[in-house]
Amino acid sequence: YVLTQPPSVSVAPGKTAMITCGGDNIGSQSVHWYQQKPGQAPLLVIYYDTGRPSGIPERFSGSNSGNTATLTISRVEAGDEADYYCQMWDSPSDHWVFGGGTKVTVL
Amino acid sequence: EVQLVESGGGLVQPGGSLRLSCTVSGFTLSDYYMDWVRQAPGKGLEWVGRTGNKANSYTAQYAASVKDRITISRDDAKKSVYLQMKSLKIEDTAMYYCARTQATAYDAFDIWGLGTMVTVSS
Repeated sequence: YVLTQPPSVSVAPGKTAMITCGGDNIGSQSVHWYQQKPGQAPLLVIYYDTGRPSGIPERFSGSNSGNTATLTISRVEAGDEADYYCQMWDSPSDHWVFGGGTKVTVL
Repeated sequence: EVQLVESGGGLVQPGGSLRLSCTVSGFTLSDYYMDWVRQAPGKGLEWVGRTGNKANSYTAQYAASVKDRITISRDDAKKSVYLQMKSLKIEDTAMYYCARTQATAYDAFDIWGLGTMVTVSS
């Protein structure tokens, strides 16, 4: 199973960034999202499509339908600049699968 | 405080072996699935494998790309999870992270260690 993410997304401060994760009928599965800043370990930002862990700002939200899961960052701040990865459990292979990652650049 | 600390990385020659450790604190290890994820320099995240929790009888699962060369085990009493790697290849060079699965098998990885670097080179 392949999860496809755009390599990069650029967004101006205060605007909205949308990061997509494409996969065959991904809407029937659950997707998790991670943020990774340079030199740091990944950080969970969205679980089970829409859940937000404690400490993650409400500006981070998720959705999942059809063939696309989306991570949305509203009112983008300079500190949101990072790589973002989607993740899904592929039942047929009993594997976790990660998307290739999207680098978010704040202009 | 919940914490994961990896160790055991280093420089190893192609064909060599290495055992990585992940020592945990702040939670009961036997309750959780534990996963290993690696990241080659400048590349994305790649799942390596996992060990199930006590309720799952500690069943291990491995990525197809490495399953013939790795073994994941754990010692709950020592609060540690291990990744044994053999027949290492240059392409195994990566930062290796251990991560805790939130509660059940398909939950997200809610806690990550800082990682340990493995370099395979002659």
